[in-house]
Amino acid sequence: AQRVTQPEKLLSVFKGAPVELKCNYSYSGSPELFWYVQYSRQRLQLLLRHISRESIKGFTADLNKGETSFHLKKPFAQEEDSAMYYCALSGYSGGSNYKLTFGKGTLLTVNP
Amino acid sequence: DTGVSQDPRHKITKRGQNVTFRCDPISEHNRLYWYRQTLGQGPEFLTYFQNEAQLEKSRLLSDRFSAERPKGSFSTLEIQRTEQGDSAMYLCASSSWDSGENYGYTFGSGTRLTVV
Repeated sequence: AQRVTQPEKLLSVFKGAPVELKCNYSYSGSPELFWYVQYSRQRLQLLLRHISRESIKGFTADLNKGETSFHLKKPFAQEEDSAMYYCALSGYSGGSNYKLTFGKGTLLTVNP
Repeated sequence: DTGVSQDPRHKITKRGQNVTFRCDPISEHNRLYWYRQTLGQGPEFLTYFQNEAQLEKSRLLSDRFSAERPKGSFSTLEIQRTEQGDSAMYLCASSSWDSGENYGYTFGSGTRLTVV
């Protein structure tokens, strides 16, 4: 079974402060991890993939297989980072289906 | 191509009525997914198509739900005899694979269903 846990429903920080959104997963195989973001009144969009090891909008995330975690980090939060963030796991589901399983999301608020 | 399109954006229906939603994926994507999202939850998988073949259905998809993807292009999701518990945001997503690499999903804006 695939499971993604985001322990914080809400996270509030001040502008310029570091931010870390936690994500833990459970999966018996070799997963692919993603972070999706949803800004107010916008559609869900891909932020980054663990396999690409890239930094998007200053955010990074490292897959830690030992701790089964994929935490999202940014050293200096900006007000425009305020959004709902979802961690998602892509695991093999049979046939050719690599469906995404999402966490419940963390609402990040960056205060001025 | 403007991404994944869903129609309608909002639907209010009376309990017991049938509703149908449409999704137009990105044209070169051969994989199409339907998800449902309720308040305070992340998106939950409903069903998956590769081209025109429906390859997996979630246990969340009761017999009142049916999805099709004729000709492997747009998809429809129909809910028969709607119940108040069906009220949710219904999301469509499409994806493609290139040399075995998963580039993730592109989501539509969703159809918000309210059953009164």
